[in-house]
Formats: sequence, structure tokens, C-alpha cells
Amino acid sequence: DQQVKQNSPSLSVQEGRISILNCDYTNSMFDYFLWYKKYPAEGPTFLISISSIKDKNEDGRFTVFLNKSAKHLSLHIVPSQPGDSAVYFCAARKGSSNTGKLIFGQGTTLQVKP
Amino acid sequence: KAGVTQTPRYLIKTRGQQVTLSCSPISGHRSVSWYQQTPGQGLQFLFEYFSETQRNKGNFPGRFSGRQFSNSRSEMNVSTLELGDSALYLCASSLQPDTGELFFGEGSRLTVL
Repeated sequence: DQQVKQNSPSLSVQEGRISILNCDYTNSMFDYFLWYKKYPAEGPTFLISISSIKDKNEDGRFTVFLNKSAKHLSLHIVPSQPGDSAVYFCAARKGSSNTGKLIFGQGTTLQVKP
Repeated sequence: KAGVTQTPRYLIKTRGQQVTLSCSPISGHRSVSWYQQTPGQGLQFLFEYFSETQRNKGNFPGRFSGRQFSNSRSEMNVSTLELGDSALYLCASSLQPDTGELFFGEGSRLTVL
């Protein structure tokens, strides 16, 4: 039972353009969502998060949108840079008592071409 | 500020052996979680510790265990290793259990032959 799904295994965009990474979830009890970036041989690095009471959160080039009715969130990276090339994981949490217990999607590999 | 430190970074074991992995959280962080990453299953939650107590446990067999010490350092142990236990084991820490962001270490790569 995959509660968090990233249906696109890979995405390729040109430098300077927008990258849009998508994530769907099935559990309406999720109250907090996070995006992590992972380079090979490194641990995941936190990027940005959003509470279920909001529909948008922005941090520099990164914006996360949450559509609760569709159980869908997306990460926008504008403008994309070659250094953004990595695997991006969407994660969800079911309540504050489960902060350490994140449920991750399978990841999307982003390639930004110079 | 030093990040999450995991040791060893790489290790090779044979089936039937046991292994202990160590994690030192970011200074001041009191909550530690462990995850297993495999190509087929992705990142899966193993367990979470806070104040030396296990707060949450994932769906893994009893061969997987962990503990946390009074200085917040944590260890996880896998007994009777199986080939399928080959994975990257990631430790993550957070300041308090109810803060949103986890900070991950670089992981311990376990290969079971």
C-alpha cells in the first residue's frame, strides 16, 4: 500500500526553465509534507515543507503547492540550475507524534541540462 | 555545527551474521529515526527514539532493533542477516519529536553476501 506516490521516475529540463515535480497521496490524515533532495552517496537534504492548513509555501527558487482536495502536491524550481540535478523525494507525516516517521515516495530523478 | 554522523560508512557481512550501526545526532537534537533505503522499496521507516524510548516502529521483523543512549546517540542492530538486508541505512535527527524537519546522515551501506 503505497500512500505517497511519485509517478514520474525521471524528469529532464533545460537550465533556466521551470522544473515541476509531482507527488500524490492517499491518506487524508497526513498533516505535513516535505521535499528532500538526495545526491548519490549522500543522505537526503531537507528542501521545503508545507503544513496541510496551507496551500503554498515559498523559499527562494523553491515553491511547494498543496491541493488537498486532489491529494496532490508539487514542487516548482525556478529557474532550474545544473546543480539541482538529483533525486527528489516527497514525504508525508501523519500527525505531530509521527515527526520521525515519514512516509516517502519512490523519488523522481531530475536532470537539468546546461 | 556538525551534522548527523553515521558509522561505519560501508560494511560487508555474510548471511547469518549480525551488524550494529551507530548514529550521532546533531548536537542538541534529541530525536533519532532510522530508515532503510533499497532500490525496490525506497526509503522505509524503521524506528524512532526520543529520550531513550522507542516512540514509533515500522513494519520490519524483530531481527531489526535499536536503542538510544542518554547522550542521544543511537544504535541499530540487525541479527541473522539475510541477503535482502543489503541496503543503505540512514539515520536522521530532529530537535524535538514534534518539529517537522529531519536532518539525515550520509548513511551506512550494508552489503550482505
